[in-house]
Amino acid sequence: EVLLVESGGDLVQPGGSLRLSCAASGFTFSNHWMTWVRQAPGKGLEWVANIRQDGNDRNYVASVRGRFTISRDNAKDSLYLQMNNLRAQDTAVYYCARGRRDYGFILDNWGQGILVTVSS
Amino acid sequence: DIVMTQSPDSLAVSLGERATINCKSSQSVLHTSNNKHYLAWYQQKPGQPPKLLISWASTRESGVPDRFSGSESGTDFTLTISSLQAEDVAIYYCQQYYSPPHTFGGGTKVEIQ
Repeated sequence: EVLLVESGGDLVQPGGSLRLSCAASGFTFSNHWMTWVRQAPGKGLEWVANIRQDGNDRNYVASVRGRFTISRDNAKDSLYLQMNNLRAQDTAVYYCARGRRDYGFILDNWGQGILVTVSS
Repeated sequence: DIVMTQSPDSLAVSLGERATINCKSSQSVLHTSNNKHYLAWYQQKPGQPPKLLISWASTRESGVPDRFSGSESGTDFTLTISSLQAEDVAIYYCQQYYSPPHTFGGGTKVEIQ
């Protein structure tokens, strides 16, 4: 069974930093693109960033570029999102999602999500 | 960035009736090399993460009931639930994966009338 478990969410002050983790199991992590998607309270889905299997290709939405860094450790079957200079608008549930094996940008499995709250 | 615009924001449909959700992309998401539309549909039930229903605009995922179907016409996409069931109450999102950022539509909330 594919399992994605996010952790690291917290209440943080504006300007602060946080590192989210996503532990993957039940599949060969190193074979898949991985993506972070977020959802502000009561709002829709926002695609945040993705990373290629080898970690050498990464893409970001403009609103987080330069502040967030997506990374992965294939030896640990883990995905990360380093979030710096956090803003109130970054408050959201953050989901990690697996890219489908045949085409990595189709998100076929999602974690349950982790809440990040940015507030003073 | 490609903007995905969904309509309506919400709709209420009687059990057993048809529900139609629209999605329009601000530019083509058709790759001419393979003649595929890079468009997916997701279903999100309250308190749950999204679930992939359809990829390539019209290909249902394994296990998705056949009352769900997707279609396209240029930059216009449609998700149809042919006979609404109680378990279909959810918010539905379209997403383009043609070019990053892989933007989502704003969502359409489907309820029982």
